[in-house]
Amino acid sequence: DVKVTQSSRYLVKRTGEKVFLECVQDMDHENMFWYRQDPGLGLRLIYFSYDVKMKEKGDIPEGYSVSREKKERFSLILESASTNQTSMYLCASSPWTGKGATNEKLFFGSGTQLSVL
Amino acid sequence: DQQVKQNSPSLSVQEGRISILNCDYTNSMFDYFLWYKKYPAEGPTFLISISSIKDKNEDGRFTVFLNKSAKHLSLHIVPSQPGDSAVYFCAASPISSGSARQLTFGSGTQLTVLP
Repeated sequence: DVKVTQSSRYLVKRTGEKVFLECVQDMDHENMFWYRQDPGLGLRLIYFSYDVKMKEKGDIPEGYSVSREKKERFSLILESASTNQTSMYLCASSPWTGKGATNEKLFFGSGTQLSVL
Repeated sequence: DQQVKQNSPSLSVQEGRISILNCDYTNSMFDYFLWYKKYPAEGPTFLISISSIKDKNEDGRFTVFLNKSAKHLSLHIVPSQPGDSAVYFCAASPISSGSARQLTFGSGTQLTVLP
């Protein structure tokens, strides 16, 4: 059974803290993603990685960075957490299906509900 | 500016009846569309998709209809079951992108199926 695992289900941090959200997938997928889900806004892409050490900014990268040192692991970093980063964070992965092909079928983790106080 | 819009935040339907969830898009470059379902405390899971060369795709109780001229798609669930109660996200991408990076999600519709 394919699996995307996020290290924490709930997290409470203080403003200004450095926060690490970890995600591991066991499907040998090339692509990994970090989204945040907010009421009324749906899922918004923060960062995307298509290979080890490769990353691309998504739609809302400000205040975030990412790290992908190993294929199976993709970390989201909040350098200095702020209250407006309180949200549900979802990690996802998908396989690379070749140039010109499409694969929008993402496999999601269960999410991390982050509260920044 | 939301390119994929789900204007109904919530929908309640009686068990056994049809559920119709709607989605509108504004970007004419979108030509591949997906629905994801999300239960509380779980991540979204892929439900069904349709490419713009079709106007209908069916999978069991789930059917997606695409009206390209109206830039509108809908998800029909027949018959609805209590286990279908979840948040449904519509998503779209340009098929030529070759990358899930281009996927744009709507804001979701909470479906509640009443027993």
